[in-house]
Amino acid sequence: QQPVQSPQAVILREGEDAVINCSSSKALYSVHWYRQKHGEAPVFLMILLKGGEQKGHDKISASFNEKKQQSSLYLTASQLSYSGTYFCGTEIPGTASKLTFGTGTRLQVTL
Amino acid sequence: DAGVIQSPRHEVTEMGQEVTLRCKPISGHNSLFWYRQTMMRGLELLIYFNNNVPIDDSGMPEDRFSAKMPNASFSTLKIQPSEPRDSAVYFCASKVSGANEQFFGPGTRLTVL
Repeated sequence: QQPVQSPQAVILREGEDAVINCSSSKALYSVHWYRQKHGEAPVFLMILLKGGEQKGHDKISASFNEKKQQSSLYLTASQLSYSGTYFCGTEIPGTASKLTFGTGTRLQVTL
Repeated sequence: DAGVIQSPRHEVTEMGQEVTLRCKPISGHNSLFWYRQTMMRGLELLIYFNNNVPIDDSGMPEDRFSAKMPNASFSTLKIQPSEPRDSAVYFCASKVSGANEQFFGPGTRLTVL
């Protein structure tokens, strides 16, 4: 079953913060985050493994709560280059390499 | 490195025709994935291969779809016969088995009239 992302879309002014949530109905082994710019291929941002870790990548970080089967992506001091659609990809234990991607969150950063 | 290569980039065909999409993974990558992306269903995994062997094809929508990987550097996704509802962007991705990051190709935009 496809993980559910929220919000579906968000518009930010440059410098504002945003949080994107990913929720699964199944127990997760890991959560992967990808960003896709319009007309381009998805690009890997980071992976969160079970254990509740939090990771950072420049001003983009993420957390994973395996008990709640949820992950959140945090975008701090957003830049114009952050615009795009963000997808979480969830991996279930025992299904190595198989990702089920979420519904996507469209992020637009404006001046 | 050239990245994942897909061809054609755009394909327009008529309903009932056979369509073949091609993918060349990154050299040294031994896992290959075929995805379909539509507005309604998002990014769906169709099938993936490990060391040229299909591991999971549960995402292939129906018998009209078939995929092959005859060697480590080439894979095809075939639709026969094609239908308008097959219109989508088809992505191929590859990675090293055991690694986390999947590298996506530029995609093939398929339009079935």
